[in-house]
Amino acid sequence: DAGVIQSPRHEVTEMGQEVTLRCKPISGHNSLFWYRQTMMRGLELLIYFNNNVPIDDSGMPEDRFSAKMPNASFSTLKIQPSEPRDSAVYFCASSWLGGSGNTIYFGEGSWLTVV
Amino acid sequence: AQKVTQAQTEISVVEKEDVTLDCVYETRDTTYYLFWYKQPPSGELVFLIRRNSFDEQNEISGRYSWNFQKSTSSFNFTITASQVVDSAVYFCALSVNTGGFKTIFGAGTRLFVKA
Repeated sequence: DAGVIQSPRHEVTEMGQEVTLRCKPISGHNSLFWYRQTMMRGLELLIYFNNNVPIDDSGMPEDRFSAKMPNASFSTLKIQPSEPRDSAVYFCASSWLGGSGNTIYFGEGSWLTVV
Repeated sequence: AQKVTQAQTEISVVEKEDVTLDCVYETRDTTYYLFWYKQPPSGELVFLIRRNSFDEQNEISGRYSWNFQKSTSSFNFTITASQVVDSAVYFCALSVNTGGFKTIFGAGTRLFVKA
């Protein structure tokens, strides 16, 4: 089975530009998570969805960040306008909420550099 | 509020040494899950183990073992006879139900295994 698929894997963009990160969760999973990893702050949970509905977006740093999940197989994280401090690795993860557990499985990450 | 503390920032050992990575968690929930993930230099996050709050049985998987003690809110990870390939950052994580399972991570412990 395919794992969590993220795109792009790497992106370099100029300050002020819009950035859109994409994620396809594991088929059958009903929870989706967006994390950001930086050296200073470690792994931060930005937002998570259950059954395509945002449950907790308290980790979203500012209004410049937005996330959507229009259907069970696709999610986006958008940054507009981007700033150099947004440079980080953004991980998408998914899990099956219910049954015997809720282990989250990560994509390979999207490495974002804002110059 | 939930919290995961990994007090060891970096550990350096020589190959074949045993090493224990500490994890202390905080939560008021009676139902929760604990996890360990490995992040090798390539950057992906790899799931290692999940434990639920009702199962304090220790687990061994090859050279890996985990010790879960609710009395001390700890979930420690031991690698026996470490190998160079074990060099990675290891994250402990806690998942609780907040209308969906929210998983938060500790700061990670970077393990260097020298040949």
